[in-house]
Amino acid sequence: AQSVTQLGSHVSVSEGALVLLRCNYSSSVPPYLFWYVQYPNQGLQLLLKYTTGATLVKGINGFEAEFKKSETSFHLTKPSAHMSDAAEYFCAVSEGNNDMRFGAGTRLTVKP
Amino acid sequence: GAGVSQSPSNKVTEKGKDVELRCDPISGHTALYWYRQSLGQGLEFLIYFQGNSAPDKSGLPSDRFSAERTGGSVSTLTIQRTQQEDSAVYLCASSRPGGGHEQYFGPGTRLTVT
Repeated sequence: AQSVTQLGSHVSVSEGALVLLRCNYSSSVPPYLFWYVQYPNQGLQLLLKYTTGATLVKGINGFEAEFKKSETSFHLTKPSAHMSDAAEYFCAVSEGNNDMRFGAGTRLTVKP
Repeated sequence: GAGVSQSPSNKVTEKGKDVELRCDPISGHTALYWYRQSLGQGLEFLIYFQGNSAPDKSGLPSDRFSAERTGGSVSTLTIQRTQQEDSAVYLCASSRPGGGHEQYFGPGTRLTVT
C-alpha cells in the first residue's frame, strides 16, 4: 500500500525566507500526489496536486512542488515566506483508487 | 451548499454517552472519508465509503465506532460509550468518482469527552 513520510514535524523560517517542506512517498504504481494546508481550527484545503504531465506543479499562495520519481519525493517550496503561511501542511499520495494516505504533517512557523 | 458540511461543529459529552457526528458531502461525490485528528497529531484514517459501501473499515479504532452512509450522500459516524481518549476533531472529506481526485474537507467536529 502507498505511504507518505514528511521529514520534520516542525519547520521554522523567517519572513521572506525560502520555505522547504519535505515529502517522500512509497507507491507501487505511478502516484497521484497532493499537498494540503490546514489553518488553525479549519479543515484541510488543497494547495496543489500532481497527476500526470509536468513534474513542477504550481499551486495557490505562491507554493509549488516538484515530482521527482527517481527520488520518490514531492517537496513543497515557496521562495519567500509570509506570516500568513503559518499553518500545518500535509502531503498525501493516492494510487488512483480513491484510497489516499496522508503524512503526519509539518507545522510551519514564520518568524517576523 | 457548495462544500462539505459537518454537524455539530462542537460537541461536549460525558464519558459513557453515545454521540453521532454528521457529514454532508458535496453533491455528486461518491467517495466519502472520515478521519480523526487528535491535538497536535496528523490525520488518522477511520473509514472510507464508496457509495453506501465501506470497502475499508480498517481504521476504526474499536467496536465502539461505527459509520453508515445512506442514499450515497449523508454519512453518520457513531461513537458508543465515549471515552476521554475519543476527544479529537473528526474530519469528513468527499471526492469525485474515479481515482486520483483530491478530497474536499469539511470544517470538522470538535468532540470533547468530559
